[in-house]
Amino acid sequence: DAKTTQPPSMDCAEGRAANLPCNHSTISGNEYVYWYRQIHSQGPQYIIHGLKNNETNEMASLIITEDRKSSTLILPHATLRDTAVYYCIVRVSGSARQLTFGSGTQLTVLP
Amino acid sequence: GAVVSQHPSRVICKSGTSVKIECRSLDFQATTMFWYRQFPKQSLMLMATSNEGSKATYEQGVEKDKFLINHASLTLSTLTVTSAHPEDSSFYICSAIDRGQGEQYFGPGTRLTVT
Repeated sequence: DAKTTQPPSMDCAEGRAANLPCNHSTISGNEYVYWYRQIHSQGPQYIIHGLKNNETNEMASLIITEDRKSSTLILPHATLRDTAVYYCIVRVSGSARQLTFGSGTQLTVLP
Repeated sequence: GAVVSQHPSRVICKSGTSVKIECRSLDFQATTMFWYRQFPKQSLMLMATSNEGSKATYEQGVEKDKFLINHASLTLSTLTVTSAHPEDSSFYICSAIDRGQGEQYFGPGTRLTVT
């Protein structure tokens, strides 16, 4: 699976949009970009994934650049409960292989 | 969405004893489950891959005789920490691959404290 690079930490004001970047310059054509988050002392929670088109669900939006070498996860109206470590992972969809977690980005939503 | 449960959520045991942690997929069948370990302020590290009906595959550095994994059915995998020591204190997380969808879901984790 391709390696990803994320900033170690970010702050965001409550109610504002949180934009979390991820670089994955070695991504392969059949690899998807997945985002998970882990709130303190809980298991990782799936957020969203995409291949090349932008995706949106009830939790977030995922913007993938045209060359697919980077992406941004957008939480449109961050709340205090969104404070968590956010992991960007690249993998083949439906693969039976494990997810490999990097260091992620610690997002702190400030009141 | 698919749900994975773990039991217990927290356990405290004495050094030298064994502890069993259960991981269940509640609404899907999982031919493959994974066990991760997470130390404070660190990321998740894969310990082993558990396949239903076969022996688990352990990552380098993980003692298979210490961390016993059993995946006897399509909805249940267990991790037994044998002869636990304080350095085994950690957050243990399982995940399961939905055999139908191919996506991976995580349990809520088990906090093990060895005194």
